Amino acid sequence: DTGVSQNPRHKITKRGQNVTFRCDPISEHNRLYWYRQTLGQGPEFLTYFQNEAQLEKSRLLSDRFSAERPKGSFSTLEIQRTEQGDSAMYLCASSDALVGGETQYFGPGTRLLVL
Amino acid sequence: AQKVTQAQTEISVVEKEDVTLDCVYETRDTTYYLFWYKQPPSGELVFLIRRNSFDEQNEISGRYSWNFQKSTSSFNFTITASQVVDSAVYFCALSEERSFNKFYFGSGTKLNVKP
Repeated sequence: DTGVSQNPRHKITKRGQNVTFRCDPISEHNRLYWYRQTLGQGPEFLTYFQNEAQLEKSRLLSDRFSAERPKGSFSTLEIQRTEQGDSAMYLCASSDALVGGETQYFGPGTRLLVL
Repeated sequence: AQKVTQAQTEISVVEKEDVTLDCVYETRDTTYYLFWYKQPPSGELVFLIRRNSFDEQNEISGRYSWNFQKSTSSFNFTITASQVVDSAVYFCALSEERSFNKFYFGSGTKLNVKP
């Protein structure tokens, strides 16, 4: 059973460029989550999917951010016109939806640096 | 207001000492879940434990133990006979009934175990 994988692991970009990250969840998990973690802080929820449906988005997810999960398997998170404040670790997690409160299993994250 | 507070930013101990990491949470929901995760320098959040609000039994797993007290809204984590490999950042998280999919993380406690 492979865990959650994320690519790339590191990304350096210039301000104003677009970036896209990919997350592959644990294969039988139907829920997928994105979090952002800045230095010295805990992860903050961005959005989650149940299968291909995006069911909740945080106010942190500005209109420059878009997430997709087209076939209910892998997901992508795109940031358009990156800003220095977008520099952070972007974490993906997945869970097997049952009745609620399920454990979320996290990937290794993508560390983004915007110059 | 912070839903999860980890007041200890950083703790340093010498190997074989016992150490307790504090977690205080705030919620109005009667059903909720509490979690502890470990984040080693590699960055991946590793799941340690999940408790629901109706189960106040303390739990022990090897050198790890957890003390859940609803009366004080605390869910503390103790490592007995700490080892260098325990060095990491530890996060406490809350999942509430009103939105089980959104985890609220504390800001983490960095544990340094010195040989």
